[in-house]
Amino acid sequence: DTEVTQTPKHLVMGMTNKKSLKCEQHMGHRAMYWYKQKAKKPPELMFVYSYEKLSINESVPSRFSPECPNSSLLNLHLHALQPEDSALYLCASSLERGPNTEAFFGQGTRLTVV
Amino acid sequence: AQSVAQPEDQVNVAEGNPLTVKCTYSVSGNPYLFWYVQYPNRGLQFLLKYITGDNLVKGSYGFEAEFNKSQTSFHLKKPSALVSDSALYFCAVRDTFRNNDMRFGAGTRLTVKP
Repeated sequence: DTEVTQTPKHLVMGMTNKKSLKCEQHMGHRAMYWYKQKAKKPPELMFVYSYEKLSINESVPSRFSPECPNSSLLNLHLHALQPEDSALYLCASSLERGPNTEAFFGQGTRLTVV
Repeated sequence: AQSVAQPEDQVNVAEGNPLTVKCTYSVSGNPYLFWYVQYPNRGLQFLLKYITGDNLVKGSYGFEAEFNKSQTSFHLKKPSALVSDSALYFCAVRDTFRNNDMRFGAGTRLTVKP
């Protein structure tokens, strides 16, 4: 199984809503990532979990809150988002955070904030 | 920080012709380089990686990449392009000065015409 599964695939939310994005992998990977991707742009790193501990936060606004309940699951909690937060949110995982490990990506959640 | 650059926003080739998508890197120490492909509204798919060793790296779907240390390049190649290869291609580097986080180039849109 070389899949990273993200749900939902599409999400429309109002600026006062609270929602969560979910990500799951069963490859035994110990590093998991959230990326944000705007149209025709490269992915931008938001958060990294290594062995279930948050190890990096790329100065992301507090309206985004990550959670890693266990080694297979990663959530991104959303609250009071702005329209400019509309983007494709990608989850990825790698065996670990070593330099020679490739990351496997999910298909993403297309988020629209209205 | 270590980085990669993709000098071409767009590459057009005819089906059956060889294709090249260019990537140059700026790295201190050993480079850890990757190529990914992204189809519309999908996540990124891993194609291949260079760690150390052979300068010609073979990957998925018939793609290969040539590592050239003197030119600091890691160009993606395929001997015979298919229409289905049309997609967005990203070169990436593990930033060993910043926790091995993966940094992406701006992306190159490849269009293969019948």
